[in-house]
Amino acid sequence: DTAVSQTPKYLVTQMGNDKSIKCEQNLGHDTMYWYKQDSKKFLKIMFSYNNKELIINETVPNRFSPKSPDKAHLNLHINSLELGDSAVYFCASSWQGGDTQYFGPGTRLTVL
Amino acid sequence: GESVGLHLPTLSVQEGDNSIINCAYSNSASDYFIWYKQESGKGPQFIIDIRSNMDKRQGQRVTVLLNKTVKHLSLQIAATQPGDSAVYFCAENANYGGSQGNLIFGKGTKLSVKP
Repeated sequence: DTAVSQTPKYLVTQMGNDKSIKCEQNLGHDTMYWYKQDSKKFLKIMFSYNNKELIINETVPNRFSPKSPDKAHLNLHINSLELGDSAVYFCASSWQGGDTQYFGPGTRLTVL
Repeated sequence: GESVGLHLPTLSVQEGDNSIINCAYSNSASDYFIWYKQESGKGPQFIIDIRSNMDKRQGQRVTVLLNKTVKHLSLQIAATQPGDSAVYFCAENANYGGSQGNLIFGKGTKLSVKP
């Protein structure tokens, strides 16, 4: 079974649309993350979240919002998509305290 | 050899040779470091980690060296195989044991193994 899964794997959409990417982990971890990887392969943290605390990277536009229906899921909602949002988005999870993070397979978002 | 430029740094090695991938980290307060391997079309995969109270840690065919004086981390891969071809990232965590584990990733190095 996949430890961290994301859907969809590919997402192609028009500018201005609103979209969501889903993430689920079956590792029992209490902390989940979203990362953005740009075309130069640079990985940057967007959010980290556990049941007590949401930490937002201050460079992330407020069009991006994480939603966690339960401990095993952290979905990423993006409003009013822009061309510059095109990237690969990775979900990850870990135990609280900075232990090893396990990554999902990624979602390639293309905004036209 | 290793090249650094506008594109991802690339290291090309012959199959069977040893590879050394280097990383300079930025935060002297970082106390936990991880190496990840990312194959094409996949997410980063954990390889090995090291805490700041150590200067060397060995795994299967991999060794991580930490030099805190110059804030340098290296990953050594013994007897490199074609399956080792991937992009390798170092990551640092300055908040290990704290409330959140934010990893700061390095730029990444692309390892190409020639058969």
